[in-house]
Amino acid sequence: AQRVTQPEKLLSVFKGAPVELKCNYSYSGSPELFWYVQYSRQRLQLLLRHISRESIKGFTADLNKGETSFHLKKPFAQEEDSAMYYCALGQAGTALIFGKGTTLSVSS
Amino acid sequence: DGGITQSPKYLFRKEGQNVTLSCEQNLNHDAMYWYRQDPGQGLRLIYYSQIVNDFQKGDIAEGYSVSREKKESFPLTVTSAQKNPTAFYLCASSTIEAGKDEAFFGQGTRLTVV
Repeated sequence: AQRVTQPEKLLSVFKGAPVELKCNYSYSGSPELFWYVQYSRQRLQLLLRHISRESIKGFTADLNKGETSFHLKKPFAQEEDSAMYYCALGQAGTALIFGKGTTLSVSS
Repeated sequence: DGGITQSPKYLFRKEGQNVTLSCEQNLNHDAMYWYRQDPGQGLRLIYYSQIVNDFQKGDIAEGYSVSREKKESFPLTVTSAQKNPTAFYLCASSTIEAGKDEAFFGQGTRLTVV
């Protein structure tokens, strides 16, 4: 069965520290992986997707098919990065499957 | 102003009543989705539709119903059969073109059963 696992409910770091939000997936085909972010009082929005290989707001994520992981990383966290982050798995012809989310809290 | 609009923002329902949540998009997207967001549960798929007059059940469809009579609209009805309807409901839309199928989300509707 297709599944997305985000093992951490909450990740608290200090400003300037590195951040890694973990995401593992289970999928039998060629996965399309996404990270969505929800800032306070804002709607859920796409942060990045693995096929674009972009760095958005300093965040990157590499798809590791051997480890079935798509961890989100940022070398130096900022306070404005505080938000809820969701990893999602895309399936052709169906809807996105989301993980349970990780709350990132960055404090000064 | 293009986007996806959910209404109302807050909704209160008495037990035993059906209630309908509105979702409209003017992005010309073929696919629309309803998710339920609960603390610690992430987003769980209720229903989705990839074309007018067709829709599929998601993981937690019991107690919910939808219709897709127009491309722009995908209303969700929470029926009295839904045992625990108090939640935050999110509607989304996307194209179905591979590689361009980013999901755009509405602001959500918070439903409370009183």
